[in-house]
Amino acid sequence: GQQVMQIPQYQHVQEGEDFTTYCNSSTTLSNIQWYKQRPGGHPVFLIQLVKSGEVKKQKRLTFQFGEAKKNSSLHITATQTTDVGTYFCAGLWNSGGSNYKLTFGKGTLLTVNP
Amino acid sequence: DTGVSQDPRHKITKRGQNVTFRCDPISEHNRLYWYRQTLGQGPEFLTYFQNEAQLEKSRLLSDRFSAERPKGSFSTLEIQRTEQGDSAMYLCASSYSGRAFDTQYFGPGTRLTVL
Repeated sequence: GQQVMQIPQYQHVQEGEDFTTYCNSSTTLSNIQWYKQRPGGHPVFLIQLVKSGEVKKQKRLTFQFGEAKKNSSLHITATQTTDVGTYFCAGLWNSGGSNYKLTFGKGTLLTVNP
Repeated sequence: DTGVSQDPRHKITKRGQNVTFRCDPISEHNRLYWYRQTLGQGPEFLTYFQNEAQLEKSRLLSDRFSAERPKGSFSTLEIQRTEQGDSAMYLCASSYSGRAFDTQYFGPGTRLTVL
């Protein structure tokens, strides 16, 4: 079935260091969405990427969608303790009209040492 | 608060008992989803409603699971004869289908523990 692979599973950084998580699909995605889940919390929508090669920024967060629409990345510059949580990518494939069923990666748990 | 709400937030039950969870979506959202999340995993799709119609059910949803959205507003997810493997966080999300790719907003989840 359709799935997204996300790496790394865990990342521990010192506050101020950068962080990147990568997401990969074996087949072309319609779009990819990124969510953040704080410990004990629920997934919170961050952003959606639709176009090939798209790059979007939210303050210290930079999101990229690959040219082939098979991979994506989230980069955080100068991490802060408030960035702690699990970052999930979630892919959508527009096959058979199922343009709604998100398939989540396993997530990358980010911990930040102050 | 106009976000997605779920009730209860926590449920502890004994194996073999039935449980029912409720989800209230964002009021103008016509799409509603149920996901299940276990420790260390991302949410897994269970089922999807557009208005009151249940349009898709995952293979993960055994016959012991049933979901309803009778009036196209709130939804319930019932698990009959619970098993220890049902222990998980059950997440509800809602969205509006008016856009090409809708954004799903998640509720706080119901954490189920089956003893």
